[in-house]
Amino acid sequence: EAGVAQSPRYKIIEKRQSVAFWCNPISGHATLYWYQQILGQGPKLLIQFQNNGVVDDSQLPKDRFSAERLKGVDSTLKIQPAKLEDSAVYLCASSLGGRVRDEQFFGPGTRLTVL
Amino acid sequence: GDSVTQMEGPVTLSEEAFLTINCTYTATGYPSLFWYVQYPGEGLQLLLKATKADDKGSNKGFEATYRKETTSFHLEKGSVQVSDSAVYFCALGIMYSGGGADGLTFGKGTHLIIQP
Repeated sequence: EAGVAQSPRYKIIEKRQSVAFWCNPISGHATLYWYQQILGQGPKLLIQFQNNGVVDDSQLPKDRFSAERLKGVDSTLKIQPAKLEDSAVYLCASSLGGRVRDEQFFGPGTRLTVL
Repeated sequence: GDSVTQMEGPVTLSEEAFLTINCTYTATGYPSLFWYVQYPGEGLQLLLKATKADDKGSNKGFEATYRKETTSFHLEKGSVQVSDSAVYFCALGIMYSGGGADGLTFGKGTHLIIQP
């Protein structure tokens, strides 16, 4: 079974530029999550989708971050404009049903460096 | 808000030593508790979980017991190996009252180094 795919794996941009990350979850998984992991910290949830609807985006900085999940499958996370503090690894995860006890499967992450 | 506190690292042990990584949590409601592991160069993967008080999760020789009275979920292993070197994350998840599920709240991670 293929895992969660993410691209690109690495991205370096200047501050105030824009960037987009892509995630393809495990086939059949209804729930998709985006997490931000700053160096030395644990992942922090940014947004959670159930199919193509948003369940929770309370920690997403909506003035600069946006995310969509068209057709309830793959998803993109965008930052515009980027700030230095956005340097982090962006993790995508998916789960079958979205219930707390359903295992979340994580992708390899996209490491973003903002200069 | 919900939070997870785990012991600072790095933790350095010799092979075959006993391991304990402490984890305590603060949560409204009744969380499920998880340990995730990140091996060098790999993504996060679930190690074990417990969904209610007094449950014990176990996998690959690791164990953790959900202690509601002490709000803890300490990770233990009787005899560690070099291959256990990784970063370990304690996490909690709480079901929304409306039926949807929260994402996970993670601790900062504990880097474990096992020396031969």
